[in-house]
Amino acid sequence: SQTIHQWPATLVQPVGSPLSLECTVEGTSNPNLYWYRQAAGRGLQLLFYSIGIDQISSEVPQNLSASRPQDRQFILSSKKLLLSDSGFYLCAWSVLFAGELFFGEGSRLTVL
Amino acid sequence: GQQLNQSPQSMFIQEGEDVSMNCTSSSIFNTWLWYKQDPGEGPVLLIALYKAGELTSNGRLTAQFGITRKDSFLNISASIPSDVGIYFCAGQHPPSGGSNYKLTFGKGTLLTVNP
Repeated sequence: SQTIHQWPATLVQPVGSPLSLECTVEGTSNPNLYWYRQAAGRGLQLLFYSIGIDQISSEVPQNLSASRPQDRQFILSSKKLLLSDSGFYLCAWSVLFAGELFFGEGSRLTVL
Repeated sequence: GQQLNQSPQSMFIQEGEDVSMNCTSSSIFNTWLWYKQDPGEGPVLLIALYKAGELTSNGRLTAQFGITRKDSFLNISASIPSDVGIYFCAGQHPPSGGSNYKLTFGKGTLLTVNP
């Protein structure tokens, strides 16, 4: 069966420090991969999605970047965090062209 | 971008009551999905709907894909305390220039169940 893991689960970082959140999927090949952010207001904001290795689409201009160095690995990064980067970050995967999206456990980022 | 209107934003109910929430859109979808998110965790898929008019149940949950393809509802019968959480609807657009890779999410319905 397919599983998705993301880490770290919780992160407290000072403003201006770098960020790396990692996500891996097991049990499937060629997944679509996604990074979402969920602020305190509850909505899910799509940040990046990827349909293949090194194929990244950005949904909103921001201080973050994403990379997909391997088929089932998706990384969210920042060189210098801002206070506004705080939030709950969710990685997700789907089968190519299918609608069902499966989420990881989430990573809580607090920027101080 | 596309928007989904999900209502109500929040609900406070007594244990044992039935719950109904819905989502509407100005555009059509090929797929409607309903998720539940517990505090501090990722959303979990509850029900997926693929065909206009489809009615699907999962235990005490029932969801329908509207006939116009622009709306969906989720019902929870005989609510229990563990039903507490945020419920999200999501829709997938028909294939068009890559937009079908993405889901459009509603803003969520926060459900509180009083024992």
